[in-house]
Amino acid sequence: NAGVTQTPKFRILKIGQSMTLQCTQDMNHNYMYWYRQDPGMGLKLIYYSVGAGITDKGEVPNGYNVSRSTTEDFPLRLELAAPSQTSVYFCASSWAGAKNIQYFGAGTRLSVL
Amino acid sequence: KNEVEQSPQNLTAQEGEFITINCSYSVGISALHWLQQHPGGGIVSLFMLSSGKKKHGRLIATINIQEKHSSLHITASHPRDSAVYICAVSRDGGSQGNLIFGKGTKLSVKP
Repeated sequence: NAGVTQTPKFRILKIGQSMTLQCTQDMNHNYMYWYRQDPGMGLKLIYYSVGAGITDKGEVPNGYNVSRSTTEDFPLRLELAAPSQTSVYFCASSWAGAKNIQYFGAGTRLSVL
Repeated sequence: KNEVEQSPQNLTAQEGEFITINCSYSVGISALHWLQQHPGGGIVSLFMLSSGKKKHGRLIATINIQEKHSSLHITASHPRDSAVYICAVSRDGGSQGNLIFGKGTKLSVKP
């Protein structure tokens, strides 16, 4: 059972480039999340999804887009990379709702230069 | 003011010491989570609790709902316990289930 898988693990982008961070889970979880972690700060929610076809903005959505065409996959798209998007990105999933444990991927370390 | 505050920010202990990490929150919650982030970066859930106390091995988590405070204790600490410990809460009434995170406590246990 792989859990939550994120790819790539590391990436360096130039300003203005685009990329997609991949996230897939094999636990049949309804809820999926994207967080970013900046040095010295708590994780912040970027986008979340409560099921296939349903997504919504979190606390820091600007500069990102998501889609949820299947239960398993929840990719995060950066359209025009900016230095402010340098961060570590975590994908997580849970069964449903606020009282469930979230399972995290290993993270993607992104640098925008 | 952050909705979830942790103390201390950094903690250095000698192997075998009893360790306490504190978490205070200012919002109504349905659950509080303690997570561990290893030096390699991966995050794993240690506890989820909404009342009382939970124990797993050498780890104990307690919560006082009235005081909006939780503690994570590590007994007989070991260098392998060195990690960042993160407190997070699920906001009461929050339908999306996302967590609000503290900034973490970096623990270093010396042999």
